[in-house]
Amino acid sequence: KAGVTQTPRYLIKTRGQQVTLSCSPISGHRSVSWYQQTPGQGLQFLFEYFSETQRNKGNFPGRFSGRQFSNSRSEMNVSTLELGDSALYLCASSQQGVNYGYTFGSGTRLTVV
Amino acid sequence: DAKTTQPPSMDCAEGRAANLPCNHSTISGNEYVYWYRQIHSQGPQYIIHGLKNNETNEMASLIITEDRKSSTLILPHATLRDTAVYYCIVRVGNQAGTALIFGKGTTLSVSS
Repeated sequence: KAGVTQTPRYLIKTRGQQVTLSCSPISGHRSVSWYQQTPGQGLQFLFEYFSETQRNKGNFPGRFSGRQFSNSRSEMNVSTLELGDSALYLCASSQQGVNYGYTFGSGTRLTVV
Repeated sequence: DAKTTQPPSMDCAEGRAANLPCNHSTISGNEYVYWYRQIHSQGPQYIIHGLKNNETNEMASLIITEDRKSSTLILPHATLRDTAVYYCIVRVGNQAGTALIFGKGTTLSVSS
């Protein structure tokens, strides 16, 4: 069974640019969440999608956005990149319900220069 | 903010049991306790979760106190590959939306 796939693995962008990250969940998983991990703030929840609808959102500025497609694949977009956006971005998928664990991907390492 | 408190670091000898404590004194009746671990620069790996009863799987055991205000993750025979950051998480939310609120976790160092 394939795991959660995130692309690309590494990315270098310049301040002011925008970036789109992709996540393919485990087959059958309809819930997809995104997390940001930095050395200073640790793992922080960005947002969660289920059936193409955003169900929950963390405390991040509007520059961070996402969407989910009908096949459950998800993308997140960060516009007007700042140096502080450099982080490991993790995607996780799950079956519906709180009694199911999330499976995380290996992440996309974004560096903003 | 995270609803859990964990010691920042612990050491364990290879082959011995590693017991990682977690306090979650404000947990609600329908909130699950989840444990994840993260090896450097990889995505967090699910270990185990529970609501009220003790749970065991091929990786670990989870002991939850009767009042549910604390729990302990037990790795019965720690190996060097168990060196990682371990996160205890209370899963917040309901069917309409859920989120994992990570704290700083416990860095477990297993040595030979």
